[in-house]
Amino acid sequence: SAVISQKPSRDICQRGTSLTIQCQVDSQVTMMFWYRQQPGQSLTLIATANQGSEATYESGFVIDKFPISRPNLTFSTLTVSNMSPEDSSIYLCSVRTSSETQYFGPGTRLLVL
Amino acid sequence: GDSVTQMEGPVTLSEEAFLTINCTYTATGYPSLFWYVQYPGEGLQLLLKATKADDKGSNKGFEATYRKETTSFHLEKGSVQVSDSAVYFCALSSGNTPLVFGKGTRLSVIA
Repeated sequence: SAVISQKPSRDICQRGTSLTIQCQVDSQVTMMFWYRQQPGQSLTLIATANQGSEATYESGFVIDKFPISRPNLTFSTLTVSNMSPEDSSIYLCSVRTSSETQYFGPGTRLLVL
Repeated sequence: GDSVTQMEGPVTLSEEAFLTINCTYTATGYPSLFWYVQYPGEGLQLLLKATKADDKGSNKGFEATYRKETTSFHLEKGSVQVSDSAVYFCALSSGNTPLVFGKGTRLSVIA
């Protein structure tokens, strides 16, 4: 398995500002992902974080709005830029291990006012 | 593309009742299948998984069998507890693709 930590665990932000979420995993993993979970909804994949290169974004998500970094095999960041109330969600980091199982971090609960 | 369909909730059961949450999938190839659970205010936890046809995943009294002929992976538990109240997500993954999730089923167990 993998133990994943995220910082911050929650935040309240003003519209127009940006927030960077950090994800740290306790072991080297093959793949890292970022998901969004809007209130009462299922999970939507934002992007796959690629080590040393640009992230791969899903339809409807763009790098200018959600820049992602992955400098090494155990760390990634997601920035939510120029926030609006519609960005209020839980943002979840996820990793895939060599056993091809995905594990999830505890999430970052974001409220944009 | 790949997709997962699970039964709509919410599901409300009395303690010690039998639980079934239906899940069917559409996928090319031979996906791995998963059930995740999300307790209130928490992230997702892997509950069980199955990687090939006829495999049975089990954990904490929950079971699910990978049925290729019916493309299903129904979650069952013989006797639910109040502590099982949570949202349950069925998901699949084909090869190196990220998980594809169902919409989730909220379970409430009352004493």
